[in-house]
Amino acid sequence: AQSVTQLGSHVSVSEGALVLLRCNYSSSVPPYLFWYVQYPNQGLQLLLKYTSAATLVKGINGFEAEFKKSETSFHLTKPSAHMSDAAEYFCAIKKGNTPLVFGKGTRLSVIA
Amino acid sequence: DTAVSQTPKYLVTQMGNDKSIKCEQNLGHDTMYWYKQDSKKFLKIMFSYNNKELIINETVPNRFSPKSPDKAHLNLHINSLELGDSAVYFCASSQTEGGYTFGSGTRLTVV
Repeated sequence: AQSVTQLGSHVSVSEGALVLLRCNYSSSVPPYLFWYVQYPNQGLQLLLKYTSAATLVKGINGFEAEFKKSETSFHLTKPSAHMSDAAEYFCAIKKGNTPLVFGKGTRLSVIA
Repeated sequence: DTAVSQTPKYLVTQMGNDKSIKCEQNLGHDTMYWYKQDSKKFLKIMFSYNNKELIINETVPNRFSPKSPDKAHLNLHINSLELGDSAVYFCASSQTEGGYTFGSGTRLTVV
């Protein structure tokens, strides 16, 4: 069964610093991969998705992720963190008609 | 213009009660889902419906019963509520290979 592992349950960065949230996947066939963001007391919002087209995917709010098959990774990055980026981030995987399977989430804190 | 709407947003109830959560999507999506998010933020699929038909029913107590009167609605009814049912429940919808659109969640507290 496919799964994703998010490395680090909590990441803290300074405002203006690089954001790097790690996600590794496990799948026997090329999957679809997603990053979602959840702000406090809100639902999940899609940041970006990889669906076997370009390996570098650009999303909303300046985030991007690169699909690396050799490393089975789909890490999320943003060049410069903003205070408003503080939230919970979820990596998710989907294969065929099976539903989205989420990682355990990474809480991003941004320090002024 | 809300895409996926859930009601109520908050639900506080006593153990043993029966409650329902409603979900509606106006995106024209064929598939709808219920996810449960526990206190550690872990999201787990509960049910999946495609065009009013149950597709996936994960290991969920049979006290939980989804109902889909049409493909735009997927309600969740819970019987004999227990303390362990306290969580945030999210409804979502999707179309084919796209990402999911989530509702804002229903925070259920059983006391």
